[in-house]
Formats: sequence, C-alpha cells, structure tokens
Amino acid sequence: QKEVEQDPGPLSVPEGAIVSLNCTYSNSAFQYFMWYRQYSRKGPELLMYTYSSGNKEDGRFTAQVDKSSKYISLFIRDSQPSDSATYLCAMSLEYGNKLVFGAGTILRVKS
Amino acid sequence: DGGITQSPKYLFRKEGQNVTLSCEQNLNHDAMYWYRQDPGQGLRLIYYSQIVNDFQKGDIAEGYSVSREKKESFPLTVTSAQKNPTAFYLCASSIDLTSGVYNEQFFGPGTRLTVL
Repeated sequence: QKEVEQDPGPLSVPEGAIVSLNCTYSNSAFQYFMWYRQYSRKGPELLMYTYSSGNKEDGRFTAQVDKSSKYISLFIRDSQPSDSATYLCAMSLEYGNKLVFGAGTILRVKS
Repeated sequence: DGGITQSPKYLFRKEGQNVTLSCEQNLNHDAMYWYRQDPGQGLRLIYYSQIVNDFQKGDIAEGYSVSREKKESFPLTVTSAQKNPTAFYLCASSIDLTSGVYNEQFFGPGTRLTVL
C-alpha cells in the first residue's frame, strides 16, 4: 500500500463546476499538507499548504485536512479551462521538508 | 529574476551511457532536491542536499549520483547502472531542511530523459 493514495483520474468537468480533489494517507505523523499544480511538461508549483487540521481558503481554492480520517481535499470553485492540469498532493513530517507525493490527479475543465 | 533552471529540457541517451542533468538556483537556498516523475507514480525523491559538500540518498538513489560543490548547483548523473532511466526529472530547492518549520519547495521546469 502506498503511503499517499490519490486517484489519477482523469477528472473531466464543465467550466464553472466545483471540483473536489482528494488524497488519503497512512502515516499519522504527517503535519504539513500541500497541493501542487503541474501543467503539462512543467515543474509543479505550490498552490496551497496547510499545517495540521482545518481549512484554508485562497480565492477560488479551499484546502481541507481531516487528520482523524487521514484525508485531505482541495476544492476549486467556478473552475476555468486554465485550471486544467495535474494536481499533486504532498505531505511532510513536522521536522524536515522531505515530501511524500501522491500520484497526481489529471483535471480537465471543458469550456 | 530568481528561480531554478534545469538543462537540457530534453535529453536522449543510448544504453550504457552516463548522462548529467544540470540544476542551478539563484534563490540562495541551502537545500536542494532531485525527484523522478513517472506516469501514475507521482514524484519520488532521488537525492537531497542540505548544505554544500553534503548530500543524502532519497528513496530511489540506486543508479544515480550527485555532487554539491557550490550552493547554487546540484547536478545529477544518471549512470548506466540505472535500469529504467527514462523519466521526467525535477530539481527543487528550499530555504533549508532543518529549521523545524515548513519551507516551500520551488521546482525547476524539468528535464525529460529518454533512453534509446
């Protein structure tokens, strides 16, 4: 079993839809939770990060962490074609920056 | 502009050859990382370095080697011992690795290596 599980998709939605992307993990010691966005043939860029449990909102993006369920989510409101990319979840222990990545979910937003 | 550069963007290698991928950063970051990305597997850590002249193996170091002679440079050599080197290679850097708080990892644009 992988340490971080993420549905690879692809997930295809119409423009304007609310998108929900999810990851589950097995290591309860993870404290930092990140979402990276990666466009085709590019390096990932950090979209959101959250420390421990709770919600964090930034514009159209909301990240949620439920440590009791070992489950994290990224919601995208009013999705746009420019949101089409691969979304990678990642997490790390409290001390140290070594990241463990999910496999990534391919998102396609159709206009 | 501050950032991370990787070269070349595309690299072709014949079986049995060693190749070196370049990674340079001008962000004054102490920590640097190399990842390998394969379809459906996310990013896997090959090597990382916290300071100059020091580096540590990641999860999949076999068949790879690195050096860290300068703070801004962290080249990766893919040796002939790497059984399946065709992949997308990403270099990253962060402020440091030991401060006890999260520091964002910034990624370069990647190098796509294909073995012919």
